[in-house]
Amino acid sequence: SQKIEQNSEALNIQEGKTATLTCNYTNYSPAYLQWYRQDPGRGPVFLLLIRENEKEKRKERLKVTFDTTLKQSLFHITASQPADSATYLCAPNNNDMRFGAGTRLTVKP
Amino acid sequence: DAGITQSPRHKVTETGTPVTLRCHQTENHRYMYWYRQDPGHGLRLIHYSYGVKDTDKGEVSDGYSVSRSKTEDFLLTLESATSSQTSVYFCAISQGLAGGPSSYNEQFFGPGTRLTVL
Repeated sequence: SQKIEQNSEALNIQEGKTATLTCNYTNYSPAYLQWYRQDPGRGPVFLLLIRENEKEKRKERLKVTFDTTLKQSLFHITASQPADSATYLCAPNNNDMRFGAGTRLTVKP
Repeated sequence: DAGITQSPRHKVTETGTPVTLRCHQTENHRYMYWYRQDPGHGLRLIHYSYGVKDTDKGEVSDGYSVSRSKTEDFLLTLESATSSQTSVYFCAISQGLAGGPSSYNEQFFGPGTRLTVL
C-alpha cells in the first residue's frame, strides 16, 4: 500500500541554522509533491509545489528537492528563525491527496 | 484564511447522534474537500467534491456522507457518530483540474472543527 513517512516527529534547531526535513514515500510514483505549514490550532497553509520533472524549487528561504529515484523530498529552511517553528506536512500525490503525519520544527533563539 | 469558514468550530455530542459540519467558501473554487486530522495519522481525506452535486469518496469515507447543493457550501454528515470519529475536521478548497481531486493546485484550508463524541 502507499505510504508516506516524515521520518522525524520533531526537530529542534538553533536560530540561524538550516533546518532539513525529510519526506519519503513508498509503493507509488507521485507526479507532484506539495509542502504545507501548520501552526497549532489552525489549518495547513500551502508553501511550495514541485513536479516530478523538477529537481529543485526555491522560494525565499525555502528550498525543496524531489528525488524520484530515492522516492524522497527534502525541505530546507535556511537562516531559520523562531517564527519558522511549526509543523510541516508533505503531500506527494497524483490525483488523490495524501499527507504525511508531519514534522514539528522548533527553532530556538 | 482564504474565504473559508467552518461551523461549528467546536462540538461535543453523544454516540449515536447525527452530526452535520458545514464548510462555506467565498472563492468560487470548484473543488472542496473534507479531511480529518488525528495524532500520528496526519490529514486523511474523507470525501471531496468536484462540482455541485458531484462528490466522491476519499481514503476514510465509511460512516460519513457529504452533500453539495451550492458551489459555496459543502456539508459533512456523520450519520451516527461514534467515539472513533472524535477528531479535528478540516475543509479545504482548490481551483483544481478536471478528472480528479487534482493535487496540482494548492489547497486552502479552513480553521477546523474540533468534534468530540462521548
